[in-house]
Amino acid sequence: KQEVTQIPAALSVPEGENLVLNCSFTDSAIYNLQWFRQDPGKGLTSLLLIQSSQREQTSGRLNASLDKSSGRSTLYIAASQPGDSATYLCATNTGTASKLTFGTGTRLQVTL
Amino acid sequence: GAVVSQHPSWVICKSGTSVKIECRSLDFQATTMFWYRQFPKQSLMLMATSNEGSKATYEQGVEKDKFLINHASLTLSTLTVTSAHPEDSSFYICSARDRLGGYTFGSGTRLTVV
Repeated sequence: KQEVTQIPAALSVPEGENLVLNCSFTDSAIYNLQWFRQDPGKGLTSLLLIQSSQREQTSGRLNASLDKSSGRSTLYIAASQPGDSATYLCATNTGTASKLTFGTGTRLQVTL
Repeated sequence: GAVVSQHPSWVICKSGTSVKIECRSLDFQATTMFWYRQFPKQSLMLMATSNEGSKATYEQGVEKDKFLINHASLTLSTLTVTSAHPEDSSFYICSARDRLGGYTFGSGTRLTVV
């Protein structure tokens, strides 16, 4: 059974810092890995989708990497802003119609 | 990009009544949709997988008679909370797998049963 862990569980940084969120998974036979953010009381917003054959994806200030063999993914956020404050979730799935397995989440607060 | 529309965004109902929540994929077809429930400050809990044209698959511990799921078309799945009670108050979120193989989520529905 896939288990997905995220470290740290919570993080508070001053505005402008670069930061790294970590995601590890136990079963490397994934179809893809996706990073989401969730604001309080809202649904999930997809940030980046990395297919199993890819090593990384970039979108604006976000960069996500994937190392299947070691069961790890990282989300790099450059020049953090207060608007980045949210809970960040990574999730894996193992097939075309399979369920997502979510990580434990990282609650990020970016302060002024 | 793929968009999943969920309605209503919030609803308050009296105990004993039923509430229907709709989930639509706006620009893609979704043969499979997923329904989640989330309690405050907790992770999403998968309730059921909705399959177009067939019965939904419920996760262990989820009452299928209380949470009725219908997936009548390739773009619409509905979740009906029947005979709602205060303990059913929660945040419900749907999702669908998009063309790229990722998952797109609705904006969620806050249900309050009084």
